[in-house]
Amino acid sequence: EDQVTQSPEALRLQEGESSSLNCSYTVSGLRGLFWYRQDPGKGPEFLFTLYSAGEEKEKERLKATLTKKESFLHITAPKPEDSATYLCAVQAIQASGGSYIPTFGRGTSLIVHP
Amino acid sequence: EAQVTQNPRYLITVTGKKLTVTCSQNMNHEYMSWYRQDPGLGLRQIYYSMNVEVTDKGDVPEGYKVSRKEKRNFPLILESPSPNQTSLYFCASSLRSNYGYTFGSGTRLTVV
Repeated sequence: EDQVTQSPEALRLQEGESSSLNCSYTVSGLRGLFWYRQDPGKGPEFLFTLYSAGEEKEKERLKATLTKKESFLHITAPKPEDSATYLCAVQAIQASGGSYIPTFGRGTSLIVHP
Repeated sequence: EAQVTQNPRYLITVTGKKLTVTCSQNMNHEYMSWYRQDPGLGLRQIYYSMNVEVTDKGDVPEGYKVSRKEKRNFPLILESPSPNQTSLYFCASSLRSNYGYTFGSGTRLTVV
């Protein structure tokens, strides 16, 4: 069974204090790993897709990296507006060639204090 | 503006009264899906559609129906809602199944 575990569940940072969020996964074959940001009461907002180990993507203060077992979302010099829940999702290669149901982690709730 | 539009945003209904939550996207995306989000359980996929007239079950399909008669629309139907279907529902679409999704703003459903 595909599994996605995000840690920590919650993270409090001071403005400017860089840190990383972790997403560890167990799948038979990775088709894609996705990062989303979700603000309270809103739908998730797509950030990045990573397809293979070693791949990295950046957007403003965020940088996502991928290994064969986990992904990190690095936040450099965060600002209060970066406060949100960050979700990781994994899509596995299906041996039967059938459905591609992504598995979401439960998220990391990030609060950045001014 | 590229978006996924869900209606209604909020809905309170009684057990057993059929309801439909509409979802429409204006990006010509092939892939659409429905999720429910519950505290402690995260996002779980209910149904998905890979194209017009092609739908399949996700992880938690019991008690739900969908249809995809047009590429842009993917309504979620609860034939006989029950209190355990009280949840926050999201519709999402993507160009391909392994691309990132665009999510709607959500529908908060309460069944009493």
